[in-house]
Amino acid sequence: SAVISQKPSRDICQRGTSLTIQCQVDSQVTMMFWYRQQPGQSLTLIATANQGSEATYESGFVIDKFPISRPNLTFSTLTVSNMSPEDSSIYLCSAPGTANTEAFFGQGTRLTVV
Amino acid sequence: GQQLNQSPQSMFIQEGEDVSMNCTSSSIFNTWLWYKQDPGEGPVLLIALYKAGELTSNGRLTAQFGITRKDSFLNISASIPSDVGIYFCAGPRDYFGNEKLTFGTGTRLTIIP
Repeated sequence: SAVISQKPSRDICQRGTSLTIQCQVDSQVTMMFWYRQQPGQSLTLIATANQGSEATYESGFVIDKFPISRPNLTFSTLTVSNMSPEDSSIYLCSAPGTANTEAFFGQGTRLTVV
Repeated sequence: GQQLNQSPQSMFIQEGEDVSMNCTSSSIFNTWLWYKQDPGEGPVLLIALYKAGELTSNGRLTAQFGITRKDSFLNISASIPSDVGIYFCAGPRDYFGNEKLTFGTGTRLTIIP
């Protein structure tokens, strides 16, 4: 299995500001994924972070709001821009294991926007 | 798009009881994954299923890949307090690779003292 570390683990932010979440994987992976989990809800895929190319966003998510960086095969960042209270969620980073057959997750970043 | 509905939405059981939950899809999946999420943590993979009809166990957990490929089941035997959490089924969004997932609606398991 992959070991995935996210930081910060939680933050409380003012509306209108931006927060960058970091994700580190203990092995090189081609793709990393970012999910959002709104309070009491399931996980929804935001985007795929591809190394060496722009991220691929899912319907309902745009680069201006959620810019993603992928500078190398073990690291990615997700920025939540111009935050509003509706952005209060858990943001989760994911990467495949060595067998490329399952997805593993970081512990998540719990964001509260006030 | 793909939708995964889990049932029941929540369960309240006593320690020692067996638990059954299921996940149904509007479309066919080639892989089914079951995850558990504890409060303040990310989902942890419990069981992966790759073939229709497959039955796989992981300790007290047993999961089955439905023969129609549109459903899956998870059973927990002799529940213990650490089983409390939210259980999610998940399936791959693309035909190739299982890393990009669609998640079910979740089943919240609570153990009554």
